[in-house]
Amino acid sequence: QSALTQPASVSGSPGQSITISCTGTSSDVGGYNSVSWYQQHPGKAPKLMIYEVSNRPSGVSNRFSGSKSGNTASLTISGLQAEDEADYYCGSYTSNSTPWVFGTGTKVTVL
Amino acid sequence: EVQLVESGGGLVQPGGSLRLSCAASGFTFSSYWMNWVRQAPGKGLEWVANIKQDGSDKYYVDSVKGRFTISRDNAKNSLYLQMNSLRAEETAVYYCARGSQGAVDIWGQGTMVTVSS
Repeated sequence: QSALTQPASVSGSPGQSITISCTGTSSDVGGYNSVSWYQQHPGKAPKLMIYEVSNRPSGVSNRFSGSKSGNTASLTISGLQAEDEADYYCGSYTSNSTPWVFGTGTKVTVL
Repeated sequence: EVQLVESGGGLVQPGGSLRLSCAASGFTFSSYWMNWVRQAPGKGLEWVANIKQDGSDKYYVDSVKGRFTISRDNAKNSLYLQMNSLRAEETAVYYCARGSQGAVDIWGQGTMVTVSS
């Protein structure tokens, strides 16, 4: 099972909006509404930011939003802040032999 | 407070074995799927295995099938990962994580496993 494809890096200035893509297939991202997104700061455990494509857990800023179109999911961070600088991973159920897969990860840099 | 605490990591030789444990607290452990996820140094996340609430269903990433065994003890609120025939490339931080609503919503702090001679 190959990892979902994400851009290696995305950057933006404070206050701007950025979007991270997560591309899979009809066997994972396109076939389920179970896409989730995770934020990971260096040396820390990942934190769930979005579940079921577009839902935010309690306590997560509404500057984070998720969407999906076909086999590609997206995470948008609006009003970019210095604290948003981190690695971001998507995840999804799959119908393949391995039932769950993460994305390759995207490093977000705040300029 | 909802919490997951892993233990059991350490240095092991290639071909060796190690058993990881995860102690859960602050939620009804027996009501959730549980997962193991690993992250090699400087690399991305890799899902390793998960187990159903009652332990009746277990799933693994292809690369560990036949070598790793996930298990749980709901009476002790504990999750385990028995790892046999370990390989150098399996050096990683291993995270215990709770499954909920199609996602992994709670993560432990991780335990480091180093496979080296």
